[in-house]
Amino acid sequence: KQEVTQIPAALSVPEGENLVLNCSFTDSAIYNLQWFRQDPGKGLTSLLLIQSSQREQTSGRLNASLDKSSGRSTLYIAASQPGDSATYLCAVSGANSKLTFGKGITLSVRP
Amino acid sequence: EAGVVQSPRYKIIEKKQPVAFWCNPISGHNTLYWYRQNLGQGPELLIRYENEEAVDDSQLPKDRFSAERLKGVDSTLKIQPAELGDSAVYLCASSQGTFYGYTFGSGTRLTVV
Repeated sequence: KQEVTQIPAALSVPEGENLVLNCSFTDSAIYNLQWFRQDPGKGLTSLLLIQSSQREQTSGRLNASLDKSSGRSTLYIAASQPGDSATYLCAVSGANSKLTFGKGITLSVRP
Repeated sequence: EAGVVQSPRYKIIEKKQPVAFWCNPISGHNTLYWYRQNLGQGPELLIRYENEEAVDDSQLPKDRFSAERLKGVDSTLKIQPAELGDSAVYLCASSQGTFYGYTFGSGTRLTVV
């Protein structure tokens, strides 16, 4: 059974800091990995999708990497802003098309 | 392009009452998912549809939950009767296929009192 872990559960940083959010998964047989953002009381917004054959994806100040063999992904946020405050969820998709989520990391960027 | 549309956004009901949630996926997305997200947790799959067929409902509590996807487009998730532990956010997602990733709706926040 696939398990996805995100540690720590919460993170607080000052504005302008570069930061890395970590995600690990137990079964390396994945199709892809997707990072989502969730604002309080809202649904999930897709940030980046990395296929199993890819090593990284970039969008603006966000960069996500994938090391499938070691079961790890990182989401790098450059020059963090208060508007980046949200919960970031990592999810992996396997052969059964099921998306398995971590519990998320709640990020707070202090002005 | 409209995203995944869910309604209602919020619902408060008394325990033992029925409740229904509606989802309209992105046009052309054959795969539709219902997820449940408890407070402080990641979403967990309830049911997956390929067109109108439920291909994975192993996590759906079938004694009180039911779902349908008529004509392979929009879908309804029902709870009858609701229990206090059903309070959660119910998320709908759709996909063209695993390669393309998943798009989620805004969710329905259910509170059972």
